[in-house]
Formats: sequence, structure tokens, C-alpha cells
Amino acid sequence: DQQVKQNSPSLSVQEGRISILNCDYTNSMFDYFLWYKKYPAEGPTFLISISSIKDKNEDGRFTVFLNKSAKHLSLHIVPSQPGDSAVYFCAASAQGGSEKLVFGKGTKLTVNP
Amino acid sequence: AAGVIQSPRHLIKEKRETATLKCYPIPRHDTVYWYQQGPGQDPQFLISFYEKMQSDKGSIPDRFSAQQFSDYHSELNMSSLELGDSALYFCASSPGFRDPTGTQYFGPGTRLTVL
Repeated sequence: DQQVKQNSPSLSVQEGRISILNCDYTNSMFDYFLWYKKYPAEGPTFLISISSIKDKNEDGRFTVFLNKSAKHLSLHIVPSQPGDSAVYFCAASAQGGSEKLVFGKGTKLTVNP
Repeated sequence: AAGVIQSPRHLIKEKRETATLKCYPIPRHDTVYWYQQGPGQDPQFLISFYEKMQSDKGSIPDRFSAQQFSDYHSELNMSSLELGDSALYFCASSPGFRDPTGTQYFGPGTRLTVL
């Protein structure tokens, strides 16, 4: 069973617009959520994370929102740039620390110039 | 800044052969994780080590073994290779319990092809 779900395999947006990537989870034990960006032939690169005790975390153009009651999080990228084109993975861990990450299947974002 | 180093970057093996993948974590990171990513799939957790001891085990076949050494680097040993073992293998490291966010930093991966 997929504990972390990214239901949109792909998303296409225009440069300068907002990109919204969504993620749902089923395991109530998850308490940290992370977004990774991955280019082909490279390892995932950490973008931003959020603790389950918060509902928003912002870092530059990237903002992650968490709706714990709905078990839903989203990553907003504003403004989107062509260099943001990549696969974005949502990941979750329980009790942080040295716990394994559980990944969604990823969403391929294409930002068109 | 120093990143996670993995070697080799590419590896081609025949069925039933063995392979050894190496991972060098970010300095002062004491926790290492191994993930396997098949084509079009999400990374799947295999195994992790904290302070040279196995800390968690995921869907790792019995044909695979791993260890973390005194300098914190880790090796993933894969024997009796099968076609289905062809995948990207990522190593990640973290400061472990010193970082409660659980952020892991990934290496570039080793692409294993089994013929």
C-alpha cells in the first residue's frame, strides 16, 4: 500500500506562474514531511520540509502547506522558472531522527518559457 | 559543501554475479541509508545504519547485505544478481538524531544494469 501518494504524475505551468504540487498520506505516525527535487541521472535534492506541528513553512520561492486533518500537503513554487523543471518527490518520516523516508511516486513538473 | 559520494556511478554485471556499491557520507553524518529506485518508481528503502549498527531494514533481499565501517562509509553487497536488480541505488546520509527533521542528503546514485 502506498502510504504517500502523489496523484498527479505530471504538471505543466507557464514561467512566472504558480506551481502547486500535491501530496496525500495515510500514516498518522508521520511527523515530518519533505520535498525533494530530482533531475535525471542525479540524486534527489532536498528542497524544504515541514513538521507536523506547523501548517506552513516558507523558503524563498518555495512554500509548503500542511493540512494535518486532511492528511494533505502541497508545495507552492512562485514564480515558477524553467530551471524548476524536474521530478518532485514528497516524502515522510515518523519520529524524525534516523527514520527511513517513505516516498511518493513523484510529479514531473515542466515549466514552459 | 561536501556531498554524499557514491561509487561506482555505473555498473554492468551479468546474472548471478556479485556487485559492491560504496557510499561516503557527508562529514560528521553518522547515519547512512540505502534506497533502490526502479524505472519510473519511487525510491524504496533498503537498509540503514546508525553509528555502524544496523538501525532499520526495509525490503532488502536476503541476497543483499550491507555494513557501515569505522569511518562511517557504507558498502552494499549484492550477490546472485538477477535481472530485476537493475535499478538506481541511492545512498543518503543524515546527522541522525542530532537533526529531528529527518532530512536526508542523497548521493548521485549508482546505476546497476544486470544483463
